Amino acid sequence: EADIYQTPRYLVIGTGKKITLECSQTMGHDKMYWYQQDPGMELHLIHYSYGVNSTEKGDLSSESTVSRIRTEHFPLTLESARPSHTSQYLCASSDPTLYSNYNEQFFGPGTRLTVL
Amino acid sequence: QQQVKQSPQSLIVQKGGISIINCAYENTAFDYFPWYQQFPGKGPALLIAIRPDVSEKKEGRFTISFNKSAKQFSLHIMDSQPGDSATYFCAASTISSGSARQLTFGSGTQLTVLP
Repeated sequence: EADIYQTPRYLVIGTGKKITLECSQTMGHDKMYWYQQDPGMELHLIHYSYGVNSTEKGDLSSESTVSRIRTEHFPLTLESARPSHTSQYLCASSDPTLYSNYNEQFFGPGTRLTVL
Repeated sequence: QQQVKQSPQSLIVQKGGISIINCAYENTAFDYFPWYQQFPGKGPALLIAIRPDVSEKKEGRFTISFNKSAKQFSLHIMDSQPGDSATYFCAASTISSGSARQLTFGSGTQLTVLP
């Protein structure tokens, strides 16, 4: 089982609050990703990072921001939460293996965010 | 624009039956096609994956069939079990900036295997 952790697992918060979703991995992976997933729907990439001090926006536009100061840590921040941000947020990490450069992505359990 | 189209949206199969989920893609730059399995309350987990230089890959009861010319690939679950009940996502991958691979996911198939 992949060692990638997300906290909190569930968060209910009021509109306008600042929130940070935590993601940590202990596998030493260079590449990390944030996905947004509505219930029963596909995953959409919102941010990714290919190493410390690098971040890129994904396919889905998001008002969130990310940082990558340490290899193992990739937090996502919403400065002012709104009901439209209600969703599940999944963090993943990857690194080329010895036999493949296809960067299998390992996912955390997700944070289910509800903004009232 | 959905780059990976997945069907059906939901599937109900009797125990012991064969579950078949289909995906189609447009972007010829995709060069890696994984399938992920997701149980409620969990993140997706890699189930099986295939590269476009082979037409089939089998791991236990799970088989991917790949048709490069048609730009289609499918997941077959043989002898389906109630424990296979989950949401299955196909995905396609290509290299993005800095050698980070981006995964484009299908919309998911909710599989229910009846006992």
